Amino acid sequence: DVKVTQSSRYLVKRTGEKVFLECVQDMDHENMFWYRQDPGLGLRLIYFSYDVKMKEKGDIPEGYSVSREKKERFSLILESASTNQTSMYLCASTGGLGIGGYTFGSGTRLTVV
Amino acid sequence: RKEVEQDPGPFNVPEGATVAFNCTYSNSASQSFFWYRQDCRKEPKLLMSVYSSGNEDGRFTAQLNRASQYISLLIRDSKLSDSATYLCVAPGGADGLTFGKGTHLIIQP
Repeated sequence: DVKVTQSSRYLVKRTGEKVFLECVQDMDHENMFWYRQDPGLGLRLIYFSYDVKMKEKGDIPEGYSVSREKKERFSLILESASTNQTSMYLCASTGGLGIGGYTFGSGTRLTVV
Repeated sequence: RKEVEQDPGPFNVPEGATVAFNCTYSNSASQSFFWYRQDCRKEPKLLMSVYSSGNEDGRFTAQLNRASQYISLLIRDSKLSDSATYLCVAPGGADGLTFGKGTHLIIQP
């Protein structure tokens, strides 16, 4: 089975800190995604990547950046954390034309204080 | 009209009953549809794909109605373990896919 691993289950950071959320998948998938999930708002796409060094903005990219230096790793960066970025962050991957057949990581619950 | 809409529920259903819920979509050119299941405080997991001809997997049946632009999920003989939030996925959004906000299902003993 594909495994998508997120480095932290829970994080607490201070306003203004730079935050790195790491995601690693072990099935050589081309496509990787970062979502945030908030009550009443559902899953919202932040950034995605179809290949190494490639990145595309999702629906809510403001305040975030990403890095994909290796195929298996997709990092989400909060340049200067703010309280409105408190959320559950979910990484997902899928291979080739398997659009929609995502495998999600277990999520990182980030609290910015 | 929002791209993907679901009734948030909760749907309270007695164990053993049949329950069905729908998801409407706005992109008439849509080709790919899916249902995901998400347990409380867990990540979404793919439940099943939705094909034009319908798709059945055990107690679960997914159907697509292109004329009315909705997909449906039917659960027969519901179990307590079916309690979860069910998310539909349809084309729309920056990467071509949009998740619905989910329908919360509670199976009661």
